[in-house]
Amino acid sequence: GEDVEQSLFLSVREGDSSVINCTYTDSSSTYLYWYKQEPGAGLQLLTYIFSNMDMKQDQRLTVLLNKKDKHLSLRIADTQTGDSAIYFCAESGSARQLTFGSGTQLTVLP
Amino acid sequence: DSGVTQTPKHLITATGQRVTLRCSPRSGDLSVYWYQQSLDQGLQFLIQYYNGEERAKGNILERFSAQQFPDLHSELNLSSLELGDSALYFCASSVARAAHDTQYFGPGTRLTVL
Repeated sequence: GEDVEQSLFLSVREGDSSVINCTYTDSSSTYLYWYKQEPGAGLQLLTYIFSNMDMKQDQRLTVLLNKKDKHLSLRIADTQTGDSAIYFCAESGSARQLTFGSGTQLTVLP
Repeated sequence: DSGVTQTPKHLITATGQRVTLRCSPRSGDLSVYWYQQSLDQGLQFLIQYYNGEERAKGNILERFSAQQFPDLHSELNLSSLELGDSALYFCASSVARAAHDTQYFGPGTRLTVL
């Protein structure tokens, strides 16, 4: 079945760039997503990328997709304390429901 | 604010009881998805409805059921509750009319079973 893996923790200094990595196994994935969850809150859609693209930029966010290696990354430029949250990678294939990774807890240190 | 609403925000109940969680999708969205987030299982897809009909099933227990009403709101019914059912339950909605089907999530209902 589908599987999505992420590292559990990442700490960065305020102002630095953060890179959160994700690997997936389903080669039929059509879209890949990044969601953000702040404490006690729901899932906020940050960005997504179609599987035939290799890069997408949206303000401070850059998504890179290596389809051959089934590797997805989210780069946050100029990371701020407000970026501290859990970041989930998710993939959807023909079935449309999302398969999520375990989430990466990003901590931004002052 | 995603436009998806869920009630109640918190629910505390006892083992063996039954509860109903409610979700209202974004205006214009026809599809509703239910997900469970727990510490040991992470975020898991439970079930999807599209325009009133069940579209897909995931890791949903037989004790759980859902439906989508003509006004497109959805309810998730959890019965014979066990301690392990304590989790955050999310509803998401999407247009579901195109190949790209972005899901927008509600704030969740936190269920605590004592």
